[in-house]
Amino acid sequence: QKEVEQDPGPLSVPEGAIVSLNCTYSNSAFQYFMWYRQYSRKGPELLMYTYSSGNKEDGRFTAQVDKSSKYISLFIRDSQPSDSASYLCAMSVTGNQFYFGTGTSLTVIP
Amino acid sequence: GAVVSQHPSRVICKSGTSVKIECRSLDFQATTMFWYRQFPKQSLMLMATSNEGSKATYEQGVEKDKFLINHASLTLSTLTVTSAHPEDSSFYICSARGRRGHTNSYNEQFFGPGTRLTVL
Repeated sequence: QKEVEQDPGPLSVPEGAIVSLNCTYSNSAFQYFMWYRQYSRKGPELLMYTYSSGNKEDGRFTAQVDKSSKYISLFIRDSQPSDSASYLCAMSVTGNQFYFGTGTSLTVIP
Repeated sequence: GAVVSQHPSRVICKSGTSVKIECRSLDFQATTMFWYRQFPKQSLMLMATSNEGSKATYEQGVEKDKFLINHASLTLSTLTVTSAHPEDSSFYICSARGRRGHTNSYNEQFFGPGTRLTVL
């Protein structure tokens, strides 16, 4: 079983839609939860960072962590064509070694 | 956020040659640098972790004699792929983590733009 599971998609939505991206994990010791956005042939850039459980909101992005279910989510409101990218979740126990999901490919159609 | 650069961005080489990839933190001191490899439509796989001034720690299954990592200063780490073969063709990404107070979060890693290696 992989440490982190993420549906690779692809996911295609119309502009303005709410996007829901999810990851599940098996290691209950994970404490750090990150979402990265990666454009084609580019390095990942950090979108959201959460320590332990709870919600975090930043503009159109909301990250949720449910440690009891070992499930994290990223919501994108009012999605834009510029949001088209691959979204990777990442997790860590100590903040040192990161475990990444495979990434979900998102296309927002104008 | 902090800036991490990689050079070259793209390299094509013949089988059997060695390729060096540089990773630089431009506006902060990176006490730890990480090297990842990403195959198409797959997740980033950590290859090794390097701390400035000490030997790199390699992940299981990564040959340390093939992937030489040097972290000689707080702003530069290099990955050398020795005797590259076509199966080494991949997207290599570094990330850097800085000292507390020098980045937004102590645990945050800043990623470089990646280097696409193609071995013919």
